[in-house]
Amino acid sequence: DTEVTQTPKHLVMGMTNKKSLKCEQHMGHRAMYWYKQKAKKPPELMFVYSYEKLSINESVPSRFSPECPNSSLLNLHLHALQPEDSALYLCASSQDWSSYEQYFGPGTRLTVT
Amino acid sequence: GENVEQHPSTLSVQEGDSAVIKCTYSDSASNYFPWYKQELGKGPQLIIDIRSNVGEKKDQRIAVTLNKTAKHFSLHITETQPEDSAVYFCAASDRDSNYQLIWGAGTKLIIKP
Repeated sequence: DTEVTQTPKHLVMGMTNKKSLKCEQHMGHRAMYWYKQKAKKPPELMFVYSYEKLSINESVPSRFSPECPNSSLLNLHLHALQPEDSALYLCASSQDWSSYEQYFGPGTRLTVT
Repeated sequence: GENVEQHPSTLSVQEGDSAVIKCTYSDSASNYFPWYKQELGKGPQLIIDIRSNVGEKKDQRIAVTLNKTAKHFSLHITETQPEDSAVYFCAASDRDSNYQLIWGAGTKLIIKP
């Protein structure tokens, strides 16, 4: 089973709101990723967690705050977002950080008003 | 760093015909080349991948070929069906890029009935 789940499916938030995106996998993978995808573009890497530690932060603004509570869960906390942050946010996982195969969740469609 | 170019950006084929999507990469150290299929409203799905020690790989109606000398790889879909309609992304990766996926721009495949 190569399933990564994400909640919520859709999220609309104002620029002053605080919200969180959640991701879960039960494949025993030890690397988890957050990507941002704008329309008609490929995914852009935001963060990589390896063994529950943040290993890569691709210069993402501090209004995005990742958290990895355990090896199965990954959160993305959102605060004071801008309209240009509206996008599809994808979570992915791989066996470990040096494993090439990444498996993606369905994404959360975020709209910032 | 690595750069991946993907062509065409849109491909329209008659149902039952074959479709070919091509990618070129710049870094000769790249050694992993996945293809992802993304249907509308869904996350990318890994459909096939190839490593640099292999020239061709097949899985039912899809195949990937790799030419390391020319630094290009291609996705071949035979006997296309309506459910093949989607956006397809190629990517390249290697240890030097911390195993991160470097993505092509995507190809929108349209299967005409």
